[in-house]
Amino acid sequence: GQNIDQPTEMTATEGAIVQINCTYQTSGFNGLFWYQQHAGEAPTFLSYNVLDGLEEKGRFSSFLSRSKGYSYLLLKELQMKDSASYLCAVGTGTASKLTFGTGTRLQVTL
Amino acid sequence: DADVTQTPRNRITKTGKRIMLECSQTKGHDRMYWYRQDPGLGLRLIYYSFDVKDINKGEISDGYSVSRQAQAKFSLSLESAIPNQTALYFCATSDTGTSGRVDEQFFGPGTRLTVL
Repeated sequence: GQNIDQPTEMTATEGAIVQINCTYQTSGFNGLFWYQQHAGEAPTFLSYNVLDGLEEKGRFSSFLSRSKGYSYLLLKELQMKDSASYLCAVGTGTASKLTFGTGTRLQVTL
Repeated sequence: DADVTQTPRNRITKTGKRIMLECSQTKGHDRMYWYRQDPGLGLRLIYYSFDVKDINKGEISDGYSVSRQAQAKFSLSLESAIPNQTALYFCATSDTGTSGRVDEQFFGPGTRLTVL
């Protein structure tokens, strides 16, 4: 089976930097995804890591350490619109199946 | 824009009723998925299909069935709805994995189902 852990809730201030962690235990690891989901809306793809290291996309970066079963999503220059849930998901094997964590609800405050 | 659509967007039904949730996509993707989302439990995979002739159970398929009518259509049925099937249901699609990588999934807007 697979086990994915991420914090339930986080709060950060507008303009600040926040790091959302995700740890996982799985066999046949084949990539880690981060999705953003605003309340009542569909998840939208943010980033994908399959090799160790940092992937940067504008204000968002994602890091992966396969040996530690660890990833984080880094959000810089936080904006109010970044208030959402952030879902960590692990892909396994050659199939495009994802197992999702329960999500981290981020609240950005003034 | 290529898209993933779901109908209905909201549905209230009674225990024991049979209902169908429909998903259509114009992305040209081969792979389609059905998830349910419950507070505190995250997204859980119900069924998935890698092409019209390929249907697979996910982690929580009991009480559900699916039909892949065409590459672009994948419907989810609850044969006899029960209250604990009240949830937000999402359809998703993905391209065929290239070079062994797992392709990102694109989600529809969701169907909020309430079973009384």
